[in-house]
Amino acid sequence: QQPVQSPQAVILREGEDAVINCSSSKALYSVHWYRQKHGEAPVFLMILLKGGEQKGHEKISASFNEKKQQSSLYLTASQLSYSGTYFCGTGGRKNNDMRFGAGTRLTVKP
Amino acid sequence: NAGVTQTPKFRILKIGQSMTLQCTQDMNHNYMYWYRQDPGMGLKLIYYSVGAGITDKGEVPNGYNVSRSTTEDFPLRLELAAPSQTSVYFCASSVTGVSSYEQYFGPGTRLTVT
Repeated sequence: QQPVQSPQAVILREGEDAVINCSSSKALYSVHWYRQKHGEAPVFLMILLKGGEQKGHEKISASFNEKKQQSSLYLTASQLSYSGTYFCGTGGRKNNDMRFGAGTRLTVKP
Repeated sequence: NAGVTQTPKFRILKIGQSMTLQCTQDMNHNYMYWYRQDPGMGLKLIYYSVGAGITDKGEVPNGYNVSRSTTEDFPLRLELAAPSQTSVYFCASSVTGVSSYEQYFGPGTRLTVT
């Protein structure tokens, strides 16, 4: 089953913060976050593994709550370059367990 | 280092035709994957391979076939194309198991079946 992402879309002004949530009905082994710009391939942002810590990369960070089977992506002080569709991918132990959410479209305006 | 490359970028097929989507990676990754992405939706796994000569089904394998004769190449074959196969197809690779490592995606092939 696909993970559920929320919100489906969000519009921000430069410098504002956003949170994107990803929840699964299945026990999770890992959570991946990717960003996809229109007409391009998804680009890896970060991966969180079961038992791992919260991760961050500059102004983008993520958390993974194993008990709640949820992950959240935090974007702080958003920039125009953050615009795109963000996908979470949830993985089990098997290679064909990977499932992607429907995506959250983020638009950052000047 | 080109990463993951896919050909063609665009293709229009008539119902019932067949074609092969090509995928090549130069990172010496053992694991390779084929996904489809329908408009406004996430990626769905079609097939994957854990090494040359080894392939397995993903979530939506019907209507497709794959082979993996070398580490670098992982072609996807569409037999008897149907309108439901209109989609964007992405090939990806990873060092090892998808759950633990990031995937590198190719630029995609946009396929229309009419």
